[in-house]
Amino acid sequence: DIQMTQSPSTLPASVGDRVTITCRASQTIRSSLAWHQQKPGKAPKLLIYKASNLESGVPSRFSGSGSGTEFTLTISSLHPDDFATYYCQHYRDNSRAFGQGTKVDFK
Amino acid sequence: EVQLVESGGDLVQPGGSLRLSCVASGFTFGSYSMSWVRQAPGKGLEWVAVVSRDGSEKYYVDSVKGRFTISRDNAKSSLSLQMNSLRAEDTALYYCAKDWGPGEKSFDVWGQGTMVTVSS
Repeated sequence: DIQMTQSPSTLPASVGDRVTITCRASQTIRSSLAWHQQKPGKAPKLLIYKASNLESGVPSRFSGSGSGTEFTLTISSLHPDDFATYYCQHYRDNSRAFGQGTKVDFK
Repeated sequence: EVQLVESGGDLVQPGGSLRLSCVASGFTFGSYSMSWVRQAPGKGLEWVAVVSRDGSEKYYVDSVKGRFTISRDNAKSSLSLQMNSLRAEDTALYYCAKDWGPGEKSFDVWGQGTMVTVSS
């Protein structure tokens, strides 16, 4: 099965910072990658699909890039509402898997 | 409005069984694969199982193979997860999620979750 590894696990940041989260797949997943945001007590929310496509209604400060095995989620200028946990997720084959999550918290 | 509503979560003893349900609305249910995803308290997301659009193909995470069965009823826009031989490590919030289909997205719609607690 394909394994997903995210880094860092925790990311201290301030409002206005540019934030980058990295996700690596154990084998190629082409562009079959999504990014989700989760806040405490809430269901996850899709931000990015097919590695770089912005989900409808998601602010343009979020962007995704990469293909194959290396992927990145970037928040160009962190807003107060963006403090949350972020997960990458592959959907390349008949299985699915999430990264372990990156918690963006206050510096 | 596109919506997924789960039910069936409960407190169950180790070795027991439970059946979770998810009812979909607001989209063409039969056009999408559907998955169950769980989250243990204070932990990350873990994919559990996926069923194909017509229900003919089913895949599971290794830790639940042989114990859990995913199924769907397209006529009722419903998804189910039969969980047998439950263990303490199955304790989690279980989410139903809309999976791959037209648009090539995965997990673009989530339910609110239903809590399963396995404890004596």
